[in-house]
Amino acid sequence: EVQLVESGGALVQPGRSLRLSCTGSGFTFGESPMSWVRQAPGKGLEWVGFIRTEAYGGTPDYAASVKGRFTISRDDSKSIAYLQMDSLKIEDTAMYYCTKSWGHWGPGTLVTVSS
Amino acid sequence: DVMLTQSPLSLPVTLGQPASFSCRSSQSLVHSDGNTYLTWFQQRPGQSPRRLIYKVSSRDSGVPDRFSGSGSGSDFTLKISRVEAEDVAVYYCMQGTHWPPITFGQGTRLEIK
Repeated sequence: EVQLVESGGALVQPGRSLRLSCTGSGFTFGESPMSWVRQAPGKGLEWVGFIRTEAYGGTPDYAASVKGRFTISRDDSKSIAYLQMDSLKIEDTAMYYCTKSWGHWGPGTLVTVSS
Repeated sequence: DVMLTQSPLSLPVTLGQPASFSCRSSQSLVHSDGNTYLTWFQQRPGQSPRRLIYKVSSRDSGVPDRFSGSGSGSDFTLKISRVEAEDVAVYYCMQGTHWPPITFGQGTRLEIK
């Protein structure tokens, strides 16, 4: 059974950094592109970014709202995708989900940016 | 960026009656490979999104057949043939044809009348 679990969410001050992890199991992680999606409280879904498999260069793409501040990476040996979030803003407050090819989602991890 | 406009934003429906959700794109979602990457998700209260339909009309495994997707080009529809109580949720469309960025519609909230 495919499972994804996000972790690392926390309350953090504006301008600080946080790293989220997405741990996968039940599938060949290295063969799966991974995406991050966020949802601000009471709002809709927003794509954050995506990372290709190593077979396709392992390169990421980002939404304009996070480009230059967020970095997506992966460690296939550990079956983990990371979302490094720097220079956090209040508007980054959201539930952060990882998804495998849109068909499988984790339960999410909450990031709150507040002073 | 491709904009997806969903309507209505709120949809009150009587149990057992049909429901229809619209998703319109600011440009055609036909990819150069011939596929149309329009996906529908259901998000029940307090839960993660769940994919229902991909590539306009392909239903995911385990999704009841009362859910169906249709459309082409820039005009798409999700239909529920007979609404059940468990269908109360927000429904989102998403396009993966012209990216980055991948974009979502603003969602339609289904409620029981």
